[in-house]
Amino acid sequence: GDSVTQTEGLVTLTEGLPVMLNCTYQSTYSPFLFWYVQHLNEAPKLLLKSFTDNKRPEHQGFHATLHKSSSSFHLQKSSAQLSDSALYYCALSDETGNTGKLIFGLGTTLQVQP
Amino acid sequence: DPKIIQKPKYLVAVTGSEKILICEQYLGHNAMYWYRQSAKKPLEFMFSYSYQKLMDNQTASSRFQPQSSKKNHLDLQITALKPDDSATYFCASSQESFFRGQQDTQYFGPGTRLLVL
Repeated sequence: GDSVTQTEGLVTLTEGLPVMLNCTYQSTYSPFLFWYVQHLNEAPKLLLKSFTDNKRPEHQGFHATLHKSSSSFHLQKSSAQLSDSALYYCALSDETGNTGKLIFGLGTTLQVQP
Repeated sequence: DPKIIQKPKYLVAVTGSEKILICEQYLGHNAMYWYRQSAKKPLEFMFSYSYQKLMDNQTASSRFQPQSSKKNHLDLQITALKPDDSATYFCASSQESFFRGQQDTQYFGPGTRLLVL
């Protein structure tokens, strides 16, 4: 079945350094990929979504490029901010039944230190 | 004003009891979902509904029953509660579940944190 892999459980960075969170996936189809961010005690919120026309989505300084050849959708930002500290989920759409089901990875906690 | 309301925010239950988690969305969406977040499985899809019809059910147990009385409501009834059911349950919604080959953005509610003793 479809799956999402996020290899890092915890990433700790110093403010101002670049961010890269890894996401790879397995899918029979060409799914849409998403990044959701969840701050402590809050609901997950959509950060980025892959486009059908291969444009690179960007939001709040974050961007991600869908590489179908390597089945990856890594999240990047040039300079980390303290407010970026949160739990980040990569997810893909399950297109087998067009039911709206999202399959999430285990998540990566990003801790940005001063 | 919150667009997706989940009630209650916190819920403590005893093993074997039954509880209903409430979800209402005021985004005018046609699709609604339930997800569960626990230490073992961080974010796990449970159900999806579109126009009040069940589209997908990924829960292995019939103890979990979604109930849709109105288009913007999707409650979750859990019977015979077990300690393993302890988790935060998130309701989500989107304009459509899937339309013309494109997954619609899902918006999550604030969650109901359930503790089963």
